[in-house]
Parts: sequence; structure tokens; C-alpha cells
Amino acid sequence: GAGVSQSPSNKVTEKGKDVELRCDPISGHTALYWYRQSLGQGLEFLIYFQGNSAPDKSGLPSDRFSAERTGGSVSTLTIQRTQQEDSAVYLCASSLEQGHSPLHFGNGTRLTVT
Amino acid sequence: AQKVTQAQTEISVVEKEDVTLDCVYETRDTTYYLFWYKQPPSGELVFLIRRNSFDEQNEISGRYSWNFQKSTSSFNFTITASQVVDSAVYFCALSEASTGNQFYFGTGTSLTVIP
Repeated sequence: GAGVSQSPSNKVTEKGKDVELRCDPISGHTALYWYRQSLGQGLEFLIYFQGNSAPDKSGLPSDRFSAERTGGSVSTLTIQRTQQEDSAVYLCASSLEQGHSPLHFGNGTRLTVT
Repeated sequence: AQKVTQAQTEISVVEKEDVTLDCVYETRDTTYYLFWYKQPPSGELVFLIRRNSFDEQNEISGRYSWNFQKSTSSFNFTITASQVVDSAVYFCALSEASTGNQFYFGTGTSLTVIP
């Protein structure tokens, strides 16, 4: 079946502009995660959605970052007034239930802020 | 404090050699889950295995095997007879019952298999 889909795959933007990154999770997966991976680095947790519960936003690095999940499915990560340090690969993952089910990752969106 | 430590940043082996990737974790929970993921050059992380804290049996899947030892808080991953296609970054991760939705990832080990 279809995996986690992310769009766009690549995004180049100018410093100060806003960007939106999209994630389509696997159908039926109630949990959705956003991670950030800088070049050669590990995974940095950003935000987590589980069903209709309030999201866990504890990993968002600043108030320029926000995310929403509509209808318990598609999620959008928004970065306002982008900075060069925002350049990274943004990974979305989904799983059947919280915590302990394996995460299924998308291919990521490579964001470059010039 | 880092909950998952992958001390090996980069490893290079010659094809057909065996290689072990180390993973040490830290938790106070009695119920927890350990994972390994593979990230090939294409970029997509691929789930390899999940092990819960109550199952210390080692697991073998083809050329892959995992050694879970609670006594040393380790969950090491061995690739036997390595192949070029094994070249990737491998991540170990921990999920605790007490912090249900959090996955703690190690910093990854970059494996290069030289033909």
C-alpha cells in the first residue's frame, strides 16, 4: 500500500519567507510525527499528533514553527520568516498507535533557505 | 543526558566482512521498546526491528541479527557478510511506556561497505 507521502521533496526559499510542508500519513495511522534532520545529524523531534488529542509541541524550536493536522489525516508544518538555520530535511512519520508501534517515514522535504 | 548512545559515528568495512553496530540506552522504565532503522543514501528511514523489554531473545533475520542485553543496556546490531547495499546510516531508538509518544533516537552510525 501507499506509504507516507511528503511534498514538496525539495524547497528553496529566501530568508524571511514563509514555507509550508505537507505530509500525508498512511491511511489508518492515528499518530503523526514531524522530525528535523540537519546535515549529518540525528533526528530532532518537533511535534506529535495523536488522534484528536492536543498535539505535543514540545520539540518546536521557536514560535516561528507551527503545525496542524486536519481531519486526523494530512498535516502541514509551517515555518514563518525562515532563517538559514532552518535549512534541513524535514521528516514526517506515522504509526498505528502512540509510542510503541514502529514509525513509518516519508522521504522528507529538503528545505534550503538562502 | 542522551537516552540512546551510538558511539560509532562512522564505520567502514570491506564487503563480506561482519560488522556490529553498537547501541546503548538509558531508561528507568521497566517497559520499553527498542528499534533499529536504516537510512540509505536515498534518504528514507526504513524500520528494521522492534524489541520490547520483556523479550531478551536474540533475533536473526537473514544476514541481520540483534543482541539485546538488559544487563548492559545494549541492543547491538550485527550484519553478517556485509554487502555494498548495506551502506547506510543506522539509527537506534528507544520508546518508553512512561513517555508513550516520544521516540529517542541515537545520532546514528554511518556504515560504508567497500566493494
